[in-house]
Amino acid sequence: GQQVMQIPQYQHVQEGEDFTTYCNSSTTLSNIQWYKQRPGGHPVFLIQLVKSGEVKKQKRLTFQFGEAKKNSSLHITATQTTDVGTYFCAGRQGAQKLVFGQGTRLTINP
Amino acid sequence: DVKVTQSSRYLVKRTGEKVFLECVQDMDHENMFWYRQDPGLGLRLIYFSYDVKMKEKGDIPEGYSVSREKKERFSLILESASTNQTSMYLCASSLNPGGAFFGQGTRLTVV
Repeated sequence: GQQVMQIPQYQHVQEGEDFTTYCNSSTTLSNIQWYKQRPGGHPVFLIQLVKSGEVKKQKRLTFQFGEAKKNSSLHITATQTTDVGTYFCAGRQGAQKLVFGQGTRLTINP
Repeated sequence: DVKVTQSSRYLVKRTGEKVFLECVQDMDHENMFWYRQDPGLGLRLIYFSYDVKMKEKGDIPEGYSVSREKKERFSLILESASTNQTSMYLCASSLNPGGAFFGQGTRLTVV
């Protein structure tokens, strides 16, 4: 079945440093989504990418969808303590099934 | 705002009990999902449903069943709870296509 792999599992940075997490799927995706889960909370939807090669930005966050629609990345510029949490990618195969990666837990030294 | 409500925040059940986890969404979403979340394993899909009475197995359906009799409600059933089903269970709903909205989660402990 479809597998979505995400790396790294953990990332610790100094406040102000950049952060990137990568997501790879074993199959072509119809779209990819990104979520953030704060400690003790539930995942919250951030964004969806649909087109091959698509790049979207939300303030300091940049999301990319690969040309083959099998990989994606999330890059945070100049991290802040409010960025702490676990970031998940999730791939849709077909119209309904939504499969999550293992997540990247980001911690930040102020 | 979309609201996804799970019936319990914490549950403690005994091995062998039949357990029902309920989830209700108020935004008329077609899709509903049940995931379990364990440290280091991310969110693993148990079952999902794309319409009333329709269900599809996810990646780890063994030991679970689901019911969707009404569009807004999606129930997860543990037929005979076991200790390896101790986990955080997350329900979500979404439009087709669209981002998923999650409930607050149910932390289930099976003793």
